[in-house]
Order: sequence, then structure tokens, then C-alpha cells
Amino acid sequence: AQSVTQPDIHITVSEGASLELRCNYSYGATPYLFWYVQSPGQGLQLLLKYFSGDTLVQGIKGFEAEFKRSQSSFNLRKPSVHWSDAAEYFCAVSPQYSSASKIIFGSGTRLSIRP
Amino acid sequence: DAGVTQSPTHLIKTRGQQVTLRCSPKSGHDTVSWYQQALGQGPQFIFQYYEEEERQRGNFPDRFSGHQFPNYSSELNVNALLLGDSALYLCASSEGRISYEQYFGPGTRLTVT
Repeated sequence: AQSVTQPDIHITVSEGASLELRCNYSYGATPYLFWYVQSPGQGLQLLLKYFSGDTLVQGIKGFEAEFKRSQSSFNLRKPSVHWSDAAEYFCAVSPQYSSASKIIFGSGTRLSIRP
Repeated sequence: DAGVTQSPTHLIKTRGQQVTLRCSPKSGHDTVSWYQQALGQGPQFIFQYYEEEERQRGNFPDRFSGHQFPNYSSELNVNALLLGDSALYLCASSEGRISYEQYFGPGTRLTVT
């Protein structure tokens, strides 16, 4: 069955520190991969996406993610977090060659920032 | 340029009742998808509409139905509400029959008592 696993429910990092959020997927073939962010009272915002090509993708707000096929992982990173990065982060996948474009989300990682 | 809008923002219903949620897609978008996000969970795909037809459906019972209008706006209907239907309902719009660049609205918070 298709699934997305985010093993960390809650992470706290100090402002200015680096960040890595983990994501693993289970799929028959390499799906399209996404990271979304959700702030309280806000809708989901797309941070970055991977379809093919360079396995290191750059996104908005200084985020990047690396696709590792051998590990079925798509971890999100940021070199230096800001207090405004506190939010819920969702890793997501979408099957290639589908008749539609449904997105399958992980359960999320809540990021808190320590001043 | 208005993004995806949803109405109402919040809604409280009683078990057994029916509810209709509304979504207007981003300008230029013709595909609408609906997701249910329970508290502390990631969104789950309900269904997707394109050209006024349901194109794909997630693992939701027939109590969940939808409609897309000629202007691409959409409604989500839930009949015979259960306590477990309490959630944030998100609408996402995109351009074209198959597009992975989905833009999400702020959601409708449904509480079933």
C-alpha cells in the first residue's frame, strides 16, 4: 500500500540552528514528492517538489530537500531556522501515470523554535 | 489575484444532519480536489473533480459526495453526519486534468456534536 512516514511527531530546534525533517515513502515506483507547510489558521503551502532530475531541490523560504532513491527518503533541510518557521510540516507523494493527481500526505511533523 | 476560497470558515452540526461546504478555485484553475484533515493528522484525499465529473475518489463512504459547477467552483456534501466527520476540510485547485501543483484554501472547520 502507498504510504508516507514522518517518524518525528514533534521537533524543537533553537533559532539559527540547522533543521532536518525526515520522510520515507513506500511505493511501487518513484512517485512525485512534495513538502508542504501549514501554519495555524492557514492553508497548506507548497515548499518544494521533486518530479525528476537533480535529486537536490530548492524551495521557498530557504528550504531544500534531497531525494534518495536507495533509501526511499525525501528529507527536508534548512541551514538556519527562523522563529517564523514554527509550523506543521507535511511530506507528501503523488503517483506518476495516474488518471488524476491525488496527493497522499504523511501525518506531519510539528516544528517548534526555541528562542 | 484571489487564491482558493472556502465557505463557511466554521460550522457546527448535529449527528445525522447534512452539510454542504463550498470552494472557489484560484483564477485560471479548472480542477478541484477535496481533503479531510482530522486533528493531529495529515490531510486525506476525498475526491477530485474535473470537467464537472468525479475523476478519482479516496477511501470515503458514499455519504461524501460532491459537485463541480460550470464556473469550476465545487461543493462537498456530507450526509448522515457522524462524530468522526469532525475535521478540517480542505479544498485544493489546480490547472488541467492532471496537475500536481495544487493550491490549498484555508479550510472549513466542521464540528459534529
